[in-house]
Amino acid sequence: IAGITQAPTSQILAAGRRMTLRCTQDMRHNAMYWYRQDLGLGLRLIHYSNTAGTTGKGEVPDGYSVSRANTDDFPLTLASAVPSQTSVYFCASRSGTGVGNEQFFGPGTRLTVL
Amino acid sequence: GQNIDQPTEMTATEGAIVQINCTYQTSGFNGLFWYQQHAGEAPTFLSYNVLDGLEEKGRFSSFLSRSKGYSYLLLKELQMKDSASYLCAVAGFQKLVFGTGTRLLVSP
Repeated sequence: IAGITQAPTSQILAAGRRMTLRCTQDMRHNAMYWYRQDLGLGLRLIHYSNTAGTTGKGEVPDGYSVSRANTDDFPLTLASAVPSQTSVYFCASRSGTGVGNEQFFGPGTRLTVL
Repeated sequence: GQNIDQPTEMTATEGAIVQINCTYQTSGFNGLFWYQQHAGEAPTFLSYNVLDGLEEKGRFSSFLSRSKGYSYLLLKELQMKDSASYLCAVAGFQKLVFGTGTRLLVSP
């Protein structure tokens, strides 16, 4: 089934631990994004990638890193998790190069850092 | 920078019409999106406006005025399933910036 998958669905993590959130799309979209969504703050962009091999920083990149080794996968890594990173994380992708193309969102990962 | 404002919460009755406003101030503008997000789910695309005017799609319409930095989403013949958050997002250079969303509660 075409779309975006994220794993895990949810995770409880001890502070200081390393964690990688996985995102895979099979739509051959060039652009991919990671957002976090917090109550009252809306969706905020963490990192993005316009095409395989390139990445860029979004609005809230500190404490996160990404890689884009191929078109389909865009993992997000928390090197040393902190409680303020408790959030719902959404991965998204967009086809083509035009910013007017819609973004498709994955189902999200609910992360709790204790 | 970019600043996007939309009401936090709205209530309406089944069968009614509701208008959700969004105002924005941006350094670059390449269009405005509306997304719907049901509780616990991912956002899904509703509409995209890049030119001034009204775009109609079934029960949903979206309006844009670039000179006023203003958009609205109009929902007609409200149904219970329309209870959700509605996210306004401005397309800048290569990225979207989202507002905090408007939670719409539809009552019988």
